Amino acid sequence: GPKVLQIPSHQIIDMGQMVTLNCDPVSNHLYFYWYKQILGQQMEFLVNFYNGKVMEKSKLFKDQFSVERPDGSYFTLKIQPTALEDSAVYFCASSLQLGALREYFGPGTRLTVL
Amino acid sequence: AQKVTQTQTSISVMEKTTVTMDCVYETRDSSYFLFWYKQTASGEIVFLIRQDSYKKENATEGHYSLNFQKPKSSIGLIITATQIEDSAVYFCAMRIASSSFSKLVFGQGTSLSVVP
Repeated sequence: GPKVLQIPSHQIIDMGQMVTLNCDPVSNHLYFYWYKQILGQQMEFLVNFYNGKVMEKSKLFKDQFSVERPDGSYFTLKIQPTALEDSAVYFCASSLQLGALREYFGPGTRLTVL
Repeated sequence: AQKVTQTQTSISVMEKTTVTMDCVYETRDSSYFLFWYKQTASGEIVFLIRQDSYKKENATEGHYSLNFQKPKSSIGLIITATQIEDSAVYFCAMRIASSSFSKLVFGQGTSLSVVP
């Protein structure tokens, strides 16, 4: 079936550094999402993105976070600067439409901030 | 605001039996979608089944089925003839039916262990 890819699978960085998480969504999908999962907890919505714009974001989507998808390439989540509490698994997802249709999730990027 | 609650932290069942996982949700919206996903040991998130709030019939998908009790705001997942490979963490999730908002709200998850 359709696959969402995420690069890298694991990233270790020092607090204060910048990190970019990359997502290659399903090719014909139009809506893109990032979710954050702290170890042992549920996934929490960060942001969704459509037509080059952030449609909705949660309180977890701090000012240090940004997303973009330049020219149909990777959908990226950038954190600058990183903080210790940013350590988590970040899941990218994509969908063709809003609402009823399921989101396809990537395998996640485990971010460790030291 | 929407909220999804899964009170069962972990469940252990014998192989080939039936298991039910509970989920209750809160929303003021009259139209919404309910989902069940599972997260495997490798971290992969797999879609299982969906229930539309306006449908009275319980959704079924293979050996997964739902027990949708709208008056109780409850959407239980039933797995029949469980297999070892069903061992995973199961998440209930909700999305309201709006063209403007699309986020999934997840429950805390239920860890299922299927033993031989």
